[in-house]
Amino acid sequence: SAVISQKPSRDICQRGTSLTIQCQVDSQVTMMFWYRQQPGQSLTLIATANQGSEATYESGFVIDKFPISRPNLTFSTLTVSNMSPEDSSIYLCSVVNRGLYEQYFGPGTRLTVT
Amino acid sequence: GENVEQHPSTLSVQEGDSAVIKCTYSDSASNYFPWYKQELGKRPQLIIDIRSNVGEKKDQRIAVTLNKTAKHFSLHITETQPEDSAVYFCAASLNTGGFKTIFGAGTRLFVKA
Repeated sequence: SAVISQKPSRDICQRGTSLTIQCQVDSQVTMMFWYRQQPGQSLTLIATANQGSEATYESGFVIDKFPISRPNLTFSTLTVSNMSPEDSSIYLCSVVNRGLYEQYFGPGTRLTVT
Repeated sequence: GENVEQHPSTLSVQEGDSAVIKCTYSDSASNYFPWYKQELGKRPQLIIDIRSNVGEKKDQRIAVTLNKTAKHFSLHITETQPEDSAVYFCAASLNTGGFKTIFGAGTRLFVKA
C-alpha cells in the first residue's frame, strides 16, 4: 500500500485566515482525493485532485473556498480559505492505486478555527 | 443520488461473540465494496474488500458477503476481541470512467472484555 503523509498534523487558526495542507505519497498514484470528516461523522468527499488541471469539486464545495493543486503524481495541496469555525474538522488526503481498487487515507489534519 | 445505508449505528458485543454490520447501496453500477476500520484519532484503515464478481471473501476472523441482486453487503467479525473496538465504515465504489466512493455513516463497535 502507498505511504501517505500530511502536513501539518494539526493546527489552530483564527477566523478569516487560510491554511494550506500538504499531502505527499511515496509512489505515483492514479487518483488523489481530499475528504473532510467532522467529529463522529462519516467521510465527505471535497474534491478529486487532478494532475495538471483543475480539481473536480463535489456539490457544496467550491474552488474559491477550497483551492487544490496537484502538480505531479505524488503531491497535492488543499487550502482552506477565509476560515470560519464551521471549517473546524479533520481533512484527509486519499489515494487510489493504479488498479483503481484499493483506496488509502493519509493520517489527517485536525483543524480548529477560533 | 447514490446512497449507502449502514446498520446498526452502534453495536455492543461480548468478547468472543460475533459481530455483523450490514450495508445497502443504491447504485447498481457499483463494482467494489471496501470496509474500513477507524480507531479513535487514527485514519480509516482498509481491512477487507470485495469485488462485484465475488460473493464472499474471508481473511482470518473477518469476512464480507455481497448480494448484488439485493444490493446488500455485510461484514462479519468472529471471535471478537477488545482491539476490534472501533468505528467501521462500509463503502460502495465505481471504478469505471474514474473512481467514485460513497461511504456509509459508520458503525461504532464496542467489544466488552
